[in-house]
Amino acid sequence: DAGITQSPRHKVTETGTPVTLRCHQTENHRYMYWYRQDPGHGLRLIHYSYGVKDTDKGEVSDGYSVSRSKTEDFLLTLESATSSQTSVYFCAISAPGQPQHFGDGTRLSIL
Amino acid sequence: AQRVTQPEKLLSVFKGAPVELKCNYSYSGSPELFWYVQYSRQRLQLLLRHISRESIKGFTADLNKGETSFHLKKPFAQEEDSAMYYCALSGSGGNEKLTFGTGTRLTIIP
Repeated sequence: DAGITQSPRHKVTETGTPVTLRCHQTENHRYMYWYRQDPGHGLRLIHYSYGVKDTDKGEVSDGYSVSRSKTEDFLLTLESATSSQTSVYFCAISAPGQPQHFGDGTRLSIL
Repeated sequence: AQRVTQPEKLLSVFKGAPVELKCNYSYSGSPELFWYVQYSRQRLQLLLRHISRESIKGFTADLNKGETSFHLKKPFAQEEDSAMYYCALSGSGGNEKLTFGTGTRLTIIP
């Protein structure tokens, strides 16, 4: 398995609180991605990064921000969590021209 | 805009029977197609990539550009094939982002 660690694995929080999810890789891959997985929607891209401090928006970026200050870490932040952001969040990594490999996911519940 | 359609949300097949999971796509260019599999509450795993033309766990998929399809097939289903299957598309020209279909949950009936 690709060296991808997501933390936390589970989190329950309240509406309006800030939440940060972390994706850490040991593969030194240039590309990193955040997806959310919801029934009936499959996986949808939130944000992605093609390198340190090089990030861009995906399909469902509203309410989310990201940062990548080091090659190995890609942080996803919900500034003020809402119930619609309850989901399973997956991080993925890839080298250019190679398939994406996924982490174990973070199950986030917002009450 | 690129789109991936998996028309079957649920598919049940008897053990030993053939399996076909459908995937259609729309993309103005030469896409790269993938199948990912997710076993119960686990991470997504790459099953197939169309350019590699491999057979993994007995599954194959052929890209049909005329019909814009990339159906996943296996001649004889096994119980361990029960999982969620996602078809995904990546654009050409260095565009690495993936667009996923909504997934098909395959259940193999013993």
